[in-house]
Amino acid sequence: DTEVTQTPKHLVMGMTNKKSLKCEQHMGHRAMYWYKQKAKKPPELMFVYSYEKLSINESVPSRFSPECPNSSLLNLHLHALQPEDSALYLCASRAGGLGNYEQYFGPGTRLTVT
Amino acid sequence: ELKVEQNPLFLSMQEGKNYTIYCNYSTTSDRLYWYRQDPGKSLESLFVLLSNGAVKQEGRLMASLDTKARLSTLHITAAVHDLSATYFCAARPAHPYGGATNKLIFGTGTLLAVQP
Repeated sequence: DTEVTQTPKHLVMGMTNKKSLKCEQHMGHRAMYWYKQKAKKPPELMFVYSYEKLSINESVPSRFSPECPNSSLLNLHLHALQPEDSALYLCASRAGGLGNYEQYFGPGTRLTVT
Repeated sequence: ELKVEQNPLFLSMQEGKNYTIYCNYSTTSDRLYWYRQDPGKSLESLFVLLSNGAVKQEGRLMASLDTKARLSTLHITAAVHDLSATYFCAARPAHPYGGATNKLIFGTGTLLAVQP
């Protein structure tokens, strides 16, 4: 099973709402990632978790709050977002360590902030 | 800081012809990746290139890596409509102490459109 799943597929939220994005993998991968992708742009790294610990935060605003409850699950909690945060949010996972391991991407959550 | 550039940004191809996408990166990297993305979809891994002179082929696509020139190419042979998509290269920065970071730096992407 080489699948990364993400829910929901689509999310529309107001600027005062609180919502969460969920990412799950059952490949035994120990590194998990959140990316943000705007239309016609490359993915931009937001957060990296390695062995369930936050290892990289790319200066993301605090209205985005990541959480890694266990090695298979990654959440992104959203609060007081702005319309410019509307984008495709991609989760990815990797086997971990320093070897040559690919990042497997999930299908993404299309977020619209109104 | 590692920067990755691709060219061209847009490539209109005729079916049956050959084309090349170029990916340049600015500082030392220990891995080079190629991904495909269809409109509204996620990223599909195509190739991972590990070392200087590495060449990988899958169907009509062939990727190569020249670490001395900091250049990777994705060559398309006899383009077909099914290859229409956006292609990204991504490089992994080499850690200053010999290890590697966990992050990928993506190029700007190349939108391929294959015309009949």
